[in-house]
Amino acid sequence: QSALTQPASVSGSPGQSITISCTGTSSDLGSYSLVSWYQHHPGKAPKLMIYEVSQRPSGVSNRFSGSKSDNTASLTISGLQAEDEAVYYCCSYAGSRSSVFGPGTEVTVL
Amino acid sequence: QLQLQESGPGLVKPSETLSLTCTVSGGSISSNSFYWGWIRQPPGKALELIGNIYYSGSSYYKPSLKSRVTISVDTSTNQVSLKLSSVTAADTAVYYCARDRDYGNYDYWGQGTLVTVSS
Repeated sequence: QSALTQPASVSGSPGQSITISCTGTSSDLGSYSLVSWYQHHPGKAPKLMIYEVSQRPSGVSNRFSGSKSDNTASLTISGLQAEDEAVYYCCSYAGSRSSVFGPGTEVTVL
Repeated sequence: QLQLQESGPGLVKPSETLSLTCTVSGGSISSNSFYWGWIRQPPGKALELIGNIYYSGSSYYKPSLKSRVTISVDTSTNQVSLKLSSVTAADTAVYYCARDRDYGNYDYWGQGTLVTVSS
């Protein structure tokens, strides 16, 4: 199992939209619509932002949206806010109760 | 509100066994159909699922770690434990416990605990 691939960093100005990509393989992202995204502020517990590709847990802003095409998933943050500055991780189910994560993308609000 | 808290030694010597406990509060680990996972992040590297377990004991371990890992649950104390034997510097990481609502959707996490392997 190899880690998923994410860009190291993405930045945007307040109010703009940004998209973070997450690339996997036919064994994980390509086989399952079970992609989740996590927001992580240093020193805090990671927070589930998106599950099952595009579902938002209760309490997560609708500024966060997810999608998937073939072996690539994407997280879009619209109306970027200072509080969105964090590291974002993608995760894909890979069968038999296993999951694989990406290395994380640092989002900077300019 | 469900809360998870990892605890254990922050420093472990090479070749010894790393032991961590995750205490769950605000809910029972034996309720519903959740799995409980241990995830780690070595410095500068990706998150890595170590394994997960159901309250009944059914478990999954990452194949490359399977020979060294034991994850267990104690429903009487509402705790999930991790043991990783024969550790090396490569096992230095922040270790998290998390609840898997289903198929890798981890909806509650602990804050993580840094474990350093060094003599």
